[in-house]
Amino acid sequence: DAKTTQPPSMDCAEGRAANLPCNHSTISGNEYVYWYRQIHSQGPQYIIHGLKNNETNEMASLIITEDRKSSTLILPHATLRDTAVYYCIVLNNNAGNMLTFGGGTRLMVKP
Amino acid sequence: GAVVSQHPSWVICKSGTSVKIECRSLDFQATTMFWYRQFPKQSLMLMATSNEGSKATYEQGVEKDKFLINHASLTLSTLTVTSAHPEDSSFYICSAYPGTRSYEQYFGPGTRLTVT
Repeated sequence: DAKTTQPPSMDCAEGRAANLPCNHSTISGNEYVYWYRQIHSQGPQYIIHGLKNNETNEMASLIITEDRKSSTLILPHATLRDTAVYYCIVLNNNAGNMLTFGGGTRLMVKP
Repeated sequence: GAVVSQHPSWVICKSGTSVKIECRSLDFQATTMFWYRQFPKQSLMLMATSNEGSKATYEQGVEKDKFLINHASLTLSTLTVTSAHPEDSSFYICSAYPGTRSYEQYFGPGTRLTVT
């Protein structure tokens, strides 16, 4: 699976949009981009995933660049409860769904 | 939504003893379950993959005789840490995959193991 690069930490003001970038320049054509988050001392939670089109659900939006070498997870109105480590993972769906977690981005939402 | 539980949520044991951690999918059948370990301020590291009715596949560097995994049913997998030592103290997390849609891997809340 392709390696991802994320900033180690970010701050965001409560109520503002949080934009979390992820670089995956070696992504291959059949690899999806997944985002999970882990709130302190809890198990990871699935957020969203996409292949090449932008995606939106009740939690977030995922913007994938046209060349698919990077993506951005957008939390439109961050709340204090969104403080967590956010993991960007690229995954070949034929790989048995084994998730490889990198360092992630520690998002701190501040009042 | 699909729920995965782990028991116990935390455990303290003495060095040399064994500890069993259970992972259950409460409202779906899991064809595959994964076990991860997470040390403080570090990311999750995959330990092993278990499929119901077959032997677990361990990641490189994970001792299969120390971390015994049993996936006897489609809703239960267990991880037994045998002869635990203080360096085994960690946060152990399981996830369950129902085998339907590719992104549907559900994580348990984790088990905090402290070995004294």
